[in-house]
Amino acid sequence: GAGVSQTPSNKVTEKGKYVELRCDPISGHTALYWYRQSLGQGPEFLIYFQGTGAADDSGLPNDRFFAVRPEGSVSTLKIQRTERGDSAVYLCASSKAGGPYEQYFGPGTRLTVT
Amino acid sequence: TQLLEQSPQFLSIQEGENLTVYCNSSSVFSSLQWYRQEPGEGPVLLVTVVTGGEVKKLKRLTFQFGDARKDSSLHITAAQPGDTGLYLCAGVRDSGYALNFGKGTSLLVTP
Repeated sequence: GAGVSQTPSNKVTEKGKYVELRCDPISGHTALYWYRQSLGQGPEFLIYFQGTGAADDSGLPNDRFFAVRPEGSVSTLKIQRTERGDSAVYLCASSKAGGPYEQYFGPGTRLTVT
Repeated sequence: TQLLEQSPQFLSIQEGENLTVYCNSSSVFSSLQWYRQEPGEGPVLLVTVVTGGEVKKLKRLTFQFGDARKDSSLHITAAQPGDTGLYLCAGVRDSGYALNFGKGTSLLVTP
């Protein structure tokens, strides 16, 4: 079956602009996660959805970051007033449910803020 | 602050050699997963271990979860150039759900 898909694969934006990153999870997976991976680092947790609600958004770095999952499937990560420090690969993962279930990752969106 | 420390950070070996990658923490995890990541791609799940002392084998790769569920190791026998990549360990803490990743071990296997 289809894996996790993310669009766009690459996004270049100017400092101060608004961006949206999209994630389409594996069909039937109720849990969805966003992570951010900076160069030379492992991924860091941003936010977790169980169904439509954000069960934990404690990893979001500040209030410029926001994510939604209105119908419990596709999710959008939104970044306002982008800064150069936001440049990273944004990874989305999904699993059958939250907890110790195996998480499957998409290819990521590489965001570059100039 | 990363809960999991991986070592070594970089490893360059020749085809046919054996190697071990370590993943250590002072925290207890309900499960630990190993991923391999290639440039420009997302992490690909290799294995999940959930029981202290558990050993799993995947062809030439052997994964072990520590008895106390605080550490893990990945051993590769007779490495091949196709094993080249970034190996990441990630743990889920008890009653948690988010993966806590190590920084990764970058492996290069030359012919």
